[in-house]
Amino acid sequence: KQEVTQIPAALSVPEGENLVLNCSFTDSAIYNLQWFRQDPGKGLTSLLLIQSSQREQTSGRLNASLDKSSGRSTLYIAASQPGDSATYLCAVRRDQGAQKLVFGQGTRLTINP
Amino acid sequence: ETGVTQTPRHLVMGMTNKKSLKCEQHLGHNAMYWYKQSAKKPLELMFVYSLEERVENNSVPSRFSPECPNSSHLFLHLHTLQPEDSALYLCASSLRPDGSTNEKLFFGSGTQLSVL
Repeated sequence: KQEVTQIPAALSVPEGENLVLNCSFTDSAIYNLQWFRQDPGKGLTSLLLIQSSQREQTSGRLNASLDKSSGRSTLYIAASQPGDSATYLCAVRRDQGAQKLVFGQGTRLTINP
Repeated sequence: ETGVTQTPRHLVMGMTNKKSLKCEQHLGHNAMYWYKQSAKKPLELMFVYSLEERVENNSVPSRFSPECPNSSHLFLHLHTLQPEDSALYLCASSLRPDGSTNEKLFFGSGTQLSVL
């Protein structure tokens, strides 16, 4: 059974710092991995999707990496801003059939002005 | 705005009530999903509908009853719920039910449900 773990559960950093969020998964046979952002009481917004054949994806100040063999992914946020404060979740797609994502519990990120 | 709209945003119900959650997607997608997000637990997949046919029931109790009348609408009918069912219920959609590896899920903002 696939399990996804995100450490730390919460992170607080000063504005302007670069930071890394971690995601690990137990079964390396994945089809893709997504990073999502969730604001309090809201739904999820997909940030980056990495296919199983890719090593990384970039969007603006965000860079996500994937190491399937070790079951790890990282989300790098450069020059953090208070607006980046949110919960970040990673999810792996486990099946070739209908999309079924297995989520981690998320990292709650606070950027202090 | 992701193109997936959920109503109501908030719902408070008693254990004997019957209510329904509604989800509508304006993206032309063919697959729709219900997820449950409880405090301090990962998001859990509840149901998957592909082209209006249920393809996944992730061991969800029968007090939750999904309905997908067409590819744009998804309902979750609730009856005789328990307080532990209080959670954020999220709807999502994707273009194809067995989409290519680079396909994303689009989520609605959710319905925050409280069962008293």
